[in-house]
Amino acid sequence: DTGVSQDPRHKITKRGQNVTFRCDPISEHNRLYWYRQTLGQGPEFLTYFQNEAQLEKSRLLSDRFSAERPKGSFSTLEIQRTEQGDSAMYLCASSLEGNTEAFFGQGTRLTVV
Amino acid sequence: AQSVTQLDSHVSVSEGTPVLLRCNYSSSYSPSLFWYVQHPNKGLQLLLKYTSAATLVKGINGFEAEFKKSETSFHLTKPSAHMSDAAEYFCVVHNTNAGKSTFGDGTTLTVKP
Repeated sequence: DTGVSQDPRHKITKRGQNVTFRCDPISEHNRLYWYRQTLGQGPEFLTYFQNEAQLEKSRLLSDRFSAERPKGSFSTLEIQRTEQGDSAMYLCASSLEGNTEAFFGQGTRLTVV
Repeated sequence: AQSVTQLDSHVSVSEGTPVLLRCNYSSSYSPSLFWYVQHPNKGLQLLLKYTSAATLVKGINGFEAEFKKSETSFHLTKPSAHMSDAAEYFCVVHNTNAGKSTFGDGTTLTVKP
């Protein structure tokens, strides 16, 4: 399968713990995006990378959130000191630069208990 | 700045009847516009896209959308609904310069037999 893959698919964690998610984009795509989707809402933009450079971050991305794409390929999203409000589906997408569509992974569903 | 309003949170149609899912947008730039579909436990899939070419855009599975700049609308239509069309649909405006996409809150389409 050459689509966008995300790992893990599901994560349950206790409040206050740190979690890290991984996204592997389509190999030739230089743009990579992270979104968060809560129940009943559309995905909300968190951040995006062009190659290894993080070019924009949403104000939704608090200091507890950090994303990296060290070699311009896979990306990680870390949430420190998780809170119950962090429970959501975290979506990763990739695209080629320009007006082309983004291809989405199936997401990582985070539940903070 | 950009935003998307999906005018109906739920639409219910009978199988074989037309589908209309309404979307209005605002954008400071000439936008790219997309419709995505999300089936339960599946990733987001692109239905169609508008990127400043023809204003009537044809997508997969018989869906179409028409870009109307004067009305700032990008409504999604299909002449005849199929049971398999039941899903969540998202209208998206994309700003290539900023690299971010803004999603609407989604429209749940129910298809009755």
